[in-house]
This record gives sequence, C-alpha cells and structure tokens, in this order.
Amino acid sequence: DARVTQTPRHKVTEMGQEVTMRCQPILGHNTVFWYRQTMMQGLELLAYFRNRAPLDDSGMPKDRFSAEMPDATLATLKIQPSEPRDSAVYFCASGPLGGGPYEQYFGPGTRLTVT
Amino acid sequence: QQQVKQSPQSLIVQKGGISIINCAYENTAFDYFPWYQQFPGKGPALLIAIRPDVSEKKEGRFTISFNKSAKQFSLHIMDSQPGDSATYFCAGDTSYGKLTFGQGTILTVHP
Repeated sequence: DARVTQTPRHKVTEMGQEVTMRCQPILGHNTVFWYRQTMMQGLELLAYFRNRAPLDDSGMPKDRFSAEMPDATLATLKIQPSEPRDSAVYFCASGPLGGGPYEQYFGPGTRLTVT
Repeated sequence: QQQVKQSPQSLIVQKGGISIINCAYENTAFDYFPWYQQFPGKGPALLIAIRPDVSEKKEGRFTISFNKSAKQFSLHIMDSQPGDSATYFCAGDTSYGKLTFGQGTILTVHP
C-alpha cells in the first residue's frame, strides 16, 4: 500500500526557531508538491518539483522558506526563522510520471504550531 | 485569474438526501477539474474528476456536472450517508499538474 509519508506529524516550536519538515514521496513518483492549509487561506500551493528540480515556488515566502529534494526519496521544507503566522498544516503530495493532469497523492500532513 | 470560488462554505444534509456543492473558475487554462475529499486529520484524497470536454461524469453516488460556457462545475452526492461527512474541495488544474483549490465545503450528513 504505497503512501506519502511525512515527519514529524506534529511540531510545536517557539518563534525564531528553525523548522524542518520531511516528506517521502511514493516510490516512482517524479513530482512532489508542498501545500499549506489554514482556516483562513484554505489549501495553498507553496512549491513543486519535477524530477527533483524546482518548477514553481512562487507561493512560498522566499525570505524564510526553502524547499529542496536532496534525492528522489526525500523532500524537505524548511522555515527559518519561524513566526506564529506560519502555524498551519503542511501537506506534501506526490504524483506519477508523465506530463498532463494526474492524481496527486497527499500525505497525512505536519501540524505546525509556532508560539 | 487563478481563483476557484466554492460554495457553500458548509452544508448540512439528512441521510439519504442530495448534497450539492458548486464551484466557479476564471482561468480558462484549466483543463482538468478534480474534487478532493478530506477527513479530519487526513490529507485530501481524489474523489472524482472531469475534463472540460465532458458535461457530466458519474461514479457511484458522486456526479460532476460541468458547464464550460458558464465556467462552473458542481458535485452532487446522491443518497448522502453519514460516512460522507468531510470537507470537499474543488480544484482547477493545468497540464502542469498545478492545482488551484477552492476554499472547501464542510459537509455534515445527519443520520
């Protein structure tokens, strides 16, 4: 049963601290997406990668957020320094090979609380 | 240009009733319109999707109706069940797989 995994599932941190969230996409999927979900803004696309290369990170605050794919089995989203307004659920999703629309498989999310 | 507007924000339906959620889009570059279902504490999961060259798609109790000229589409859940209680998101997708989501509809189905 192939699934997207995310760690940690919950993170509480103080303002100013660095936060790193990790995602393991489904094996064989070549596209990875990072989303943020809040009550006010809903689901927002932060960044996405295809074949480990960043395609679009226009939804991400560049001054404090960074996203990388060190290898095909790991995607990371880092916030430094974190702020209370970053409190949200962060989802990673992956999609299979090929161009065109296709299903995105979402992970369970990381619930981040910044105090 | 990128927005997808979804309504209502919340919906309460009795068991056996029909749930209807509506979406409108602006971006004519969208060529795929999925609906995602999300249960509390879980990530969204694809429920059903339609391409704009089709006016209707049905899968079990779930039907998407699509009106290209009006740039609107809707999800109908027939014979709604308590297990359907979840948050539903419509979305528009370009060929690049970049989803733009609606704000979501919280559906509650009373037994």
